[in-house]
Amino acid sequence: EVQVVESGGGLVQPGGSLRLSCAASGFTLSSYWMHWVRQAPGKGLVWVSRINRDGTTTAYADSVKGRFTISRDNAKNTLFLQMDSLRAEDTAVYYCARETYASSDYWGQGTLVTVSS
Amino acid sequence: QSALTQPPSASGSPGQSVTISCTGTSSDVGGYNSVSWYQQHPGKAPKLMIYEGSKRPSGVPDRFSGSKSGNTASLTVSGLQAEDEADYYCSSYAGSNFFVFGTGTKVTVL
Repeated sequence: EVQVVESGGGLVQPGGSLRLSCAASGFTLSSYWMHWVRQAPGKGLVWVSRINRDGTTTAYADSVKGRFTISRDNAKNTLFLQMDSLRAEDTAVYYCARETYASSDYWGQGTLVTVSS
Repeated sequence: QSALTQPPSASGSPGQSVTISCTGTSSDVGGYNSVSWYQQHPGKAPKLMIYEGSKRPSGVPDRFSGSKSGNTASLTVSGLQAEDEADYYCSSYAGSNFFVFGTGTKVTVL
């Protein structure tokens, strides 16, 4: 069964850092581009970042560029999102998702990141 | 990287049809055959309903259909059922490895 499971969320102060992980199972991570998508409380989905199969190509939404870094360890079937210089507006549930045909066919249940003092 | 525009809400009675629009630009919706649609129930992860504009993943009822004309994509839900009540989001590839989501539409089954 294909599964992606996010972890690493929590409460962090403004300006702090957090590293999210996404453990993939049931498929070969190295065969897929992957995404991070976030959703602030009561708000809509927002695309955050994308990474290619071997980690050599990445893209970021303007709102996180220069502060967030997406990476992957295919040997460990794990996707990461390093989040630095966090702001209150980064508070959201963060989802990782597998890409196929320019869409996201499998999503995790998300991990909540709260940025507050 | 502006969000695609969707109506905030849509509604229909059981058995009726509802159509949701998703308006972008020639740099996203109109420029690629890469519009997807997601259904999200409260507190749940999004679920892929349509990809490449009009294709349904395995297991998605054929009551769900997608289309595109110019810079606007549409999702139609026919034969509305109570379980179709949810939030729906469109998404499109926007070039240079970027993606963009729509603003979301809350569908209510009356």
